[in-house]
Amino acid sequence: GAGVSQSPRYKVAKRGQDVALRCDPISGHVSLFWYQQALGQGPEFLTYFQNEAQLDKSGLPSDRFFAERPEGSVSTLKIQRTQQEDSAVYLCASSQLSWVGGGQRPYNQPQHFGDGTRLSIL
Amino acid sequence: QKEVEQDPGPLSVPEGAIVSLNCTYSNSAFQYFMWYRQYSRKGPELLMYTYSSGNKEDGRFTAQVDKSSKYISLFIRDSQPSDSATYLCARQVGGATNKLIFGTGTLLAVQP
Repeated sequence: GAGVSQSPRYKVAKRGQDVALRCDPISGHVSLFWYQQALGQGPEFLTYFQNEAQLDKSGLPSDRFFAERPEGSVSTLKIQRTQQEDSAVYLCASSQLSWVGGGQRPYNQPQHFGDGTRLSIL
Repeated sequence: QKEVEQDPGPLSVPEGAIVSLNCTYSNSAFQYFMWYRQYSRKGPELLMYTYSSGNKEDGRFTAQVDKSSKYISLFIRDSQPSDSATYLCARQVGGATNKLIFGTGTLLAVQP
């Protein structure tokens, strides 16, 4: 398809288990973002990749959260030793990268989101 | 104080009404603002984006930014039941990331 694809759509895990969530960005999009959305809240930033480089992981809530994008396309968000507070919708977004300021400064075009993975920790 | 504040609603209007959705922000830097629409169990869908100040119109939707009062608005004309969704405003951060900072979202219900 043409949009951002995430899998699985739903994931139920027992507390303490490890989970892996997958994101396929829009083809050709250099930039990839992960967000966490709690019930009744707006999405909150987790981490950002430009190609395979993880340039910002300031939003990852703990060292149990790990993200990778080894070939600059598909990305995986891994949560180790899951806790109940990890229950949320995990959203992936991708965007095109432009260069502004005479080609000196990168700028991310508006982000396009997938439908997310709804994670429930029992 | 959150960086982007948004009234969570819910907001209920009759079909055909003009809807006004609002956010306030606290950062003064020049930046882009986005409006996303999110249907239940779906991801946010980009509706409009606009730079620091002024109006932008797209069909039934108008986005407005008032930099002096740090106010962001989305107007929906001739609202339809299919417009029933959560509307999220977001500020795009500058720098290397351009990550989005979202409000909590406003739940809108358009009654037929």
